[in-house]
Amino acid sequence: EAQVTQNPRYLITVTGKKLTVTCSQNMNHEYMSWYRQDPGLGLRQIYYSMNVEVTDKGDVPEGYKVSRKEKRNFPLILESPSPNQTSLYFCASRNGNEQFFGPGTRLTVL
Amino acid sequence: GQSLEQPSEVTAVEGAIVQINCTYQTSGFYGLSWYQQHDGGAPTFLSYNALDGLEETGRFSSFLSRSDSYGYLLLQELQMKDSASYFCAGTRNNFNKFYFGSGTKLNVKP
Repeated sequence: EAQVTQNPRYLITVTGKKLTVTCSQNMNHEYMSWYRQDPGLGLRQIYYSMNVEVTDKGDVPEGYKVSRKEKRNFPLILESPSPNQTSLYFCASRNGNEQFFGPGTRLTVL
Repeated sequence: GQSLEQPSEVTAVEGAIVQINCTYQTSGFYGLSWYQQHDGGAPTFLSYNALDGLEETGRFSSFLSRSDSYGYLLLQELQMKDSASYFCAGTRNNFNKFYFGSGTKLNVKP
């Protein structure tokens, strides 16, 4: 089944404790992206990657890092999480005009 | 900046037609996309308009007017399962950067 997977689906952590949210797609898409979704704000793009080893900032990149060492994986790294990064995170891959989203990761930073 | 405005909530009855508007203030958008998101779920792609005019996909249609910086999603023969949030999204930089509206929650009543 063609899909985008994310892990973990839920995470509660404390301020300053480094964490990684993994994202993987099995559709051989070159483009992948990370978004955060907050009530009343829609989805905001954090980072995107056009291909292996090619990444760039979206609208809200502060406090996040990404890497793209393989085509299928695009992990999101929070080196020192803060409470304002409490949010619902979505990974997506794109084919043409259409983005395919993962199931989401709900992160709480205490 | 890049901003897309949508009504926050719309209510309609089963079997009716509803239009969800999206106005945008931005430069260089390639086109307008629409996504559906059920509560607790991931966004799913509905349609994309690159050119002015109406695109029809089954019960859903989407319209774009570049000169008016305006688009809409038209849902016909509403069903209870159409109750969801709907997001318009603009794209720039060769489909690398995406900007989402804050979403319209559609409530379909029997």
